Amino acid sequence: DQQVKQNSPSLSVQEGRISILNCDYTNSMFDYFLWYKKYPAEGPTFLISISSIKDKNEDGRFTVFLNKSAKHLSLHIVPSQPGDSAVYFCAASGSGANNLFFGTGTRLTVIP
Amino acid sequence: DTGVSQDPRHKITKRGQNVTFRCDPISEHNRLYWYRQTLGQGPEFLTYFQNEAQLEKSRLLSDRFSAERPKGSFSTLEIQRTEQGDSAMYLCASSLRSSGLIYGYTFGSGTRLTVV
Repeated sequence: DQQVKQNSPSLSVQEGRISILNCDYTNSMFDYFLWYKKYPAEGPTFLISISSIKDKNEDGRFTVFLNKSAKHLSLHIVPSQPGDSAVYFCAASGSGANNLFFGTGTRLTVIP
Repeated sequence: DTGVSQDPRHKITKRGQNVTFRCDPISEHNRLYWYRQTLGQGPEFLTYFQNEAQLEKSRLLSDRFSAERPKGSFSTLEIQRTEQGDSAMYLCASSLRSSGLIYGYTFGSGTRLTVV
């Protein structure tokens, strides 16, 4: 059973515009949520995280929003750059857990 | 320290053979994780170590799989009697116990296993 879902397999955005990647989860015990970026032939690279006590966390061009009641989070990238083209994974974990549950990923293409 | 290193990068093996992968984590990280990623899926948790102790194993880790982390440094993942369904990218990650959920795990580039 997929506890973390990314329902959009792909997204294309013009350079300079906003990219919004979405993620839904089913387990109400999840306390921490992370976004990873993955380029081909490389391992996932950590981008940004948020804990359940917050509803927003920002780091430069990247902002993650958490809506606990809807069990939904989103990653906003603004402005989008061609180097942002990659597969983005949403991941979640409970505070007492020892592993991350990953979504299936969204392939972002930023068009120059 | 250049991050998490995995060896080999690619491995092609015949069905029924045994394979072993190695992971060298970031030296000050006391937690080490193994994940498996198949095409079109996100990484799936296999097992993790805190120092040299293997503290959790996923149900995905059948009895053909064994992982070790002697002396709490590098780790090995062995698959015995490989099957075609074992074909996947095997990812290793490490973290500090106190910060892995805030600052993320650091992943290696993975070992791509192809069973023919």
